[in-house]
Amino acid sequence: GENVEQHPSTLSVQEGDSAVIKCTYSDSASNYFPWYKQELGKRPQLIIDIRSNVGEKKDQRIAVTLNKTAKHFSLHITETQPEDSAVYFCAARYSGGGADGLTFGKGTHLIIQP
Amino acid sequence: DTGVSQNPRHKITKRGQNVTFRCDPISEHNRLYWYRQTLGQGPEFLTYFQNEAQLEKSRLLSDRFSAERPKGSFSTLEIQRTEQGDSAMYLCASSSRNWLVNTEAFFGQGTRLTVV
Repeated sequence: GENVEQHPSTLSVQEGDSAVIKCTYSDSASNYFPWYKQELGKRPQLIIDIRSNVGEKKDQRIAVTLNKTAKHFSLHITETQPEDSAVYFCAARYSGGGADGLTFGKGTHLIIQP
Repeated sequence: DTGVSQNPRHKITKRGQNVTFRCDPISEHNRLYWYRQTLGQGPEFLTYFQNEAQLEKSRLLSDRFSAERPKGSFSTLEIQRTEQGDSAMYLCASSSRNWLVNTEAFFGQGTRLTVV
């Protein structure tokens, strides 16, 4: 099955600086890669996603890049703000042959220092 | 409310008892997923339904776990003979699949199970 590794487990950055979280996946057949933000005690919420036919996607201060050859994808947050503090999860999904569940990384606790 | 709804939000049970959780997906979504999340970990996939059909089950879903979605709308997840290791947050998510791709999955608030 799919295995997703996520690094770092904790990331502390100064407000206004950029943050980068990296993930690798094992199954080359995976074709969908979402990123979720989870605040303490709340549900995971999708912040951005990318499909395997695209190399990069941007939405305001958030961007995701995908390297299918290397099987890794990254989340980039620019001009970080205090409300960006949360746990971020990457995930990978293979859709086909009846399979459809997301495999998540272990999460990155992002701390924005004022 | 147009989001995914889960009940109850919290459940405390004694070891060996059976528990049942309910998930109401977003109404137009035909796919429904169950995940389990323990402290400091990402959600782990358990099972999913397309309409009323259960299409995939993780090996994490032991024979004490059973999920149903009888009319293709709400779903229930039952855990029989609960063990302390079952203590976790149980998350439900739903999505819609058209002829080409799945839409994003929306998560509910979860049911936090504590087995004492």
